Formats: sequence, structure tokens, C-alpha cells
Amino acid sequence: EAGVAQSPRYKIIEKRQSVAFWCNPISGHATLYWYQQILGQGPKLLIQFQNNGVVDDSQLPKDRFSAERLKGVDSTLKIQPAKLEDSAVYLCASSSRTDYLYEQYFGPGTRLTVT
Amino acid sequence: GNSVTQMEGPVTLSEEAFLTINCTYTATGYPSLFWYVQYPGEGLQLLLKATKADDKGSNKGFEATYRKETTSFHLEKGSVQVSDSAVYFCALSGPFSGGYNKLIFGAGTRLAVHP
Repeated sequence: EAGVAQSPRYKIIEKRQSVAFWCNPISGHATLYWYQQILGQGPKLLIQFQNNGVVDDSQLPKDRFSAERLKGVDSTLKIQPAKLEDSAVYLCASSSRTDYLYEQYFGPGTRLTVT
Repeated sequence: GNSVTQMEGPVTLSEEAFLTINCTYTATGYPSLFWYVQYPGEGLQLLLKATKADDKGSNKGFEATYRKETTSFHLEKGSVQVSDSAVYFCALSGPFSGGYNKLIFGAGTRLAVHP
């Protein structure tokens, strides 16, 4: 079974530029998550999708971050404009169900550096 | 609120030494508890979990027991190997998050094992 795929793996941009990250979850997984992991901290949930609908985006900075999951499969996370404090690893995860007992599977992450 | 506190690292051990990484939590209701591991250059992987008080999760020689009375979920291994070098994250999830599978992570503890 293929795992969660993310691209790009690394990205360097200047502040005020825009950037987009892509995630392809495990086939058949209805729930998709985006996390932000700042250096030295644990991952923090940004947004959670159930199929193509958002179920939790309470910690997403909506003035600059946006995410979509078209057709309930792939997802894109965008930052526009980027700030220095957005430097982090962005992790995508998926699970077969939203129930808290179902394991989340994580992708390798995209490391973003904002200069 | 719901939170996880784990011991600061790095933890540096010699091969075959005993490992303990402390984790305590604050949560409403009855959370499930997890340990995730992040090897260099890889995504987060679930190491073990426990879903109710007094449960013991175990995998690859690692163990952790869900202690409700002390709100703890300490990770232990009797004899570490160089290949165990990684960052370990304690996390919780539960129905307090509206039934959705929202993981709350600790800051992570880096383990370095030397031959």
C-alpha cells in the first residue's frame, strides 16, 4: 500500500511571496489533515477535511493560509503572502475515518524556509 | 485545555542502556494516548497507543502504560539500539474534539544512541 505523498520536499521563498504544497493521501482514506511543525515543537493541526468538506480549521490563519481538497482526494495548502514565522515543516496525514481511534498516517513533509 | 508535556531532550544513551521518556497530559474526558516516532528524513510513524486506563501499548520493544491516576504515559525500552535514534512525540486524541480525530502533540524528545 502506497503511503501519503507530498511535494515538494523542500521550498525556499522570500517573505511576501506565495507558495503551495500538495498532498496525495492513502487511497480510500476519507480524512485528510494538514499540520504545521515549527522547529523544536510538536505538530499543530491547521485543517482537517472529511472527504472534500472542512471539519476543523480553527487554527488555520485564514488571512494568509488556504486549503482545498477537490473531489475528496488530493489536497493543496497555500500560503499568500508568506511571513518569516511560516518557516516550518508542513505535514499531511490521512486516516480511513474521522473517529479518534483510527490511526493517522503521515507523509514525509515539506520543509519551508522563508527568508 | 488539552495538552501534552514531555521531557526535554536530547537524551543521549549508550547502546543497550535503559530508556525512559516521560510524558504527562491534561485532558477533558478520557483521551487515547499515543507515541509517534520520527526518524531522520522520514514522516511521523505511530509507535504504540493505549485507549483506556491501565492499557499497555507495546511495539518493537517499546512499552508505555496509560496511568490515569498520574495522567502519565511514559515510554520505556529495556535495551536501546543505535537504530532507535529519532525524535519521539507523545500525543493524545479523543472524543473531546467533537468526535473528530484531532491529535495534540508534545514538543518531542530527541534520542541519540551511541555505540
